[in-house]
Amino acid sequence: GENVEQHPSTLSVQEGDSAVIKCTYSDSASNYFPWYKQELGKGPQLIIDIRSNVGEKKDQRIAVTLNKTAKHFSLHITETQPEDSAVYFCAANHGKQAGTALIFGKGTTLSVSS
Amino acid sequence: NAGVMQNPRHLVRRRGQEARLRCSPMKGHSHVYWYRQLPEEGLKFMVYLQKENIIDESGMPKERFSAEFPKEGPSILRIQQVVRGDSAAYFCASSPSSGLNNQPQHFGDGTRLSIL
Repeated sequence: GENVEQHPSTLSVQEGDSAVIKCTYSDSASNYFPWYKQELGKGPQLIIDIRSNVGEKKDQRIAVTLNKTAKHFSLHITETQPEDSAVYFCAANHGKQAGTALIFGKGTTLSVSS
Repeated sequence: NAGVMQNPRHLVRRRGQEARLRCSPMKGHSHVYWYRQLPEEGLKFMVYLQKENIIDESGMPKERFSAEFPKEGPSILRIQQVVRGDSAAYFCASSPSSGLNNQPQHFGDGTRLSIL
């Protein structure tokens, strides 16, 4: 079946450093790639998304890049702060059924220490 | 501007009982998705519904699980004769439309289901 791989599973950085989380997907028809942040006891919160007609998107300290040829996309967080500590999930849409199911990676636990 | 509302937040059931999980989508959203999350795992898609229609239930177990999204009221995920393996967090998401535009899905805070 379709699959999304996410690495690393855990990431520890010092406040002010950058953090990078990488994902690969298997469905070549996927064309929508959101990133979610999940805090303890809460639901996933959409932080940024990218569609396959662009290669990069930026929103303040957060950026996402997409390489469709390699089926690879990444989340970049610059100038990390302690409040960035959470679990981050990448996802890809099920391309054959546009706009429906999202396939999620297993998550990256980001810890930012001050 | 309320977000996706799920209730109850926590639900405890004994084996063999029924569990009903409710989800009210964001205002103006007519598409609802249910996902299940096991501890330290990503979310797994279960079912996608529009008002009075099940669009995609490819992730739903074939037995004991059902979902509905009636014309009036919240979407309901129903689990009959629960077993210990049903213990998980169940999340609902909503979007304004789907089709080829891939509208973002916004999630509620989930229902934590525990089976004794």
